[in-house]
Amino acid sequence: AQSVTQLDSHVSVSEGTPVLLRCNYSSSYSPSLFWYVQHPNKGLQLLLKYTSAATLVKGINGFEAEFKKSETSFHLTKPSAHMSDAAEYFCVVTGEDSSYKLIFGSGTRLLVRP
Amino acid sequence: ETGVTQSPTHLIKTRGQQVTLRCSSQSGHNTVSWYQQALGQGPQFIFQYYREEENGRGNFPPRFSGLQFPNYSSELNVNALELDDSALYLCASSPRLSTPDTQYFGPGTRLTVL
Repeated sequence: AQSVTQLDSHVSVSEGTPVLLRCNYSSSYSPSLFWYVQHPNKGLQLLLKYTSAATLVKGINGFEAEFKKSETSFHLTKPSAHMSDAAEYFCVVTGEDSSYKLIFGSGTRLLVRP
Repeated sequence: ETGVTQSPTHLIKTRGQQVTLRCSSQSGHNTVSWYQQALGQGPQFIFQYYREEENGRGNFPPRFSGLQFPNYSSELNVNALELDDSALYLCASSPRLSTPDTQYFGPGTRLTVL
């Protein structure tokens, strides 16, 4: 069965420093992978997606992620954090039985210090 | 701007009661999915509706049921509420079936069961 593990429940960075949010997945086939962001009192927003094309995926707001099949990882990065990046981030994989079912990780809360 | 709206924003019920949550899909979207997000966890897939028919279901008991209407708005009904049903309930609409990257999430309904 598909699963997602987000390795850090909280990540704290200073504004202007790089961001790394780690995600490992387990899948019996080649899944689609996503990163979503959730700001307080707002809906989940898609940051980026991997669907078996280029392994380095660029998303919105300067975020990118690299799909590494050998490591079963899909880590999210950003060169320079902004205060507005503070939010909850979810790594997501599609379900084995159907592509529409999204399986979410437990989330990583990103804190950005001034 | 996602265009997906949910009502009510917050709701308080007591154990054993029944609740109905509503979702208005983005214009032109014929598919809606519902997710339950417990505090501190990632969303979990409840079920999906496509053209008024249930199209897939997660690991939730039958007391969780849904409806999709001809205008593609949707309801989530939960009977015999339990304390563990306290969560944020999210709906997501998409313009076509089996395209997970185009799921647009609403802001959610926060349900508290006392």
